Formats: sequence, C-alpha cells, structure tokens
Amino acid sequence: EVQLLESGGGLVQPGESLRLSCAASGFTFSNEPMSWVRQAPGKGLEWVSSISVSGSAMYYADSVKGRAAISRDNSKNILYLQINRLRAEDTAIYYCAKDVYGAGSYSDYWGQGTLVTVSS
Amino acid sequence: DIQMTQSPSSLSASVGDRVTVTCRASQDISNYLAWYQQKPGKVPKLLIYGASTLQTGVPSRFSGSGSGTDFTLTISSLQPDDVATYYCQKYNGPPSTFGQGTKVEVK
Repeated sequence: EVQLLESGGGLVQPGESLRLSCAASGFTFSNEPMSWVRQAPGKGLEWVSSISVSGSAMYYADSVKGRAAISRDNSKNILYLQINRLRAEDTAIYYCAKDVYGAGSYSDYWGQGTLVTVSS
Repeated sequence: DIQMTQSPSSLSASVGDRVTVTCRASQDISNYLAWYQQKPGKVPKLLIYGASTLQTGVPSRFSGSGSGTDFTLTISSLQPDDVATYYCQKYNGPPSTFGQGTKVEVK
C-alpha cells in the first residue's frame, strides 16, 4: 500500500525557514517523480514544486521560486521541501504527491498533508 | 504561463442529475489534463487523466472529454457521495497549474 507521510509543519514567524519532509513507503520511491502541492485555508490547490526521479531536474511555482528548494534522498525514501523567507501567504496545508510519469505530471497518490502557519 | 479556468465556481443539483464542469486552458495543452475530487476535509483523489481516462476504481458515472483548450468533467447521475470540490490540472510541462475548483452540492 502506497503511503506518504508529511512532517515538519508548524507555526513559524515571517522571514523564518522551514523544511518539510515526506516519508514514502509501499512503492519504489527511487523510480517515481514527486511533487509538493499546497492548499491555503479555504482555498484551492496550488502546485508548488516537482522533482525528477534522480533529483537532477527541479521545478518551482513562481510564488516560491528563489525561496524554495525541493530535494530527495532515494536511499531513505524521503522527499523534502525547504522554504526560506516565509510569508503569511505561504500559510497552507502542504501535500506530498507521487507523480505518475515525469516530474510535474498528474499525481495518483497524496499524503495527508502538513499544516504550515506563518504568523507573528 | 498557461492559465486554467473552471466554470462554474459552484453548482447545486439533484440526485440523479447530469452534472457538467468545464475547464478551459489559455493555450493548447493537447490532452494533458487531469481531474481530481476533493471531499470536505479530505485529500484530493485522482479521477481522470489524459483528459478522458478513468483512474482505476473510479465509478463509471464519471467521464472526461476534450482536447486542446476545452475540457469537460461529467457526472452522469449525481450521487450524494459526489459532494466535493473538483479541480482540473494541466500537466504538459511545469508549472502544473490547477483550475480554481468547482464546488458541487446536492439539493
């Protein structure tokens, strides 16, 4: 059974940094591209970032470009998202998702999400 | 970047009604279009990919059509369990933009 378990969310102050993790199991993590998608409270889905199987290709939404870094550790089956200089508008549930083919394609499995709240 | 626009933003229909949600891309995306269902308080669930291919396990009352810039998600006979927000997503290359969502309610 595919499982994606996000962690690392919490309350942070504007300007601070946060690293989210997503522990994957139930599939061959090193063979699958992955993405992060977020959802602000009461709002729609927003694609944030995607990474290729090897980690050599990374893509970002304009809203986080220059502030975020996606990475993966295929030996530990973990996906990461580091976001720096956090802003109030980064407040959201962050979902880790398994892409079907190629980074940034559609996602067939999603984690339960981790809530990030940016507030002073 | 390509923008994805869904309509309507919300709709209310009776059980058994045929329901249609539209998604329009600002540029041609061929058939690189997926649909997701998100029930209140739940995680998004993949319904359709390739504009018209039903994901395994999804009820056959759901169908998708379209190509290029105009796409449609149809629920042939609305059920109480279909109360949710539906999102389209284009995936012909990053950014993998989502539509703003269509909230479907049962009268």
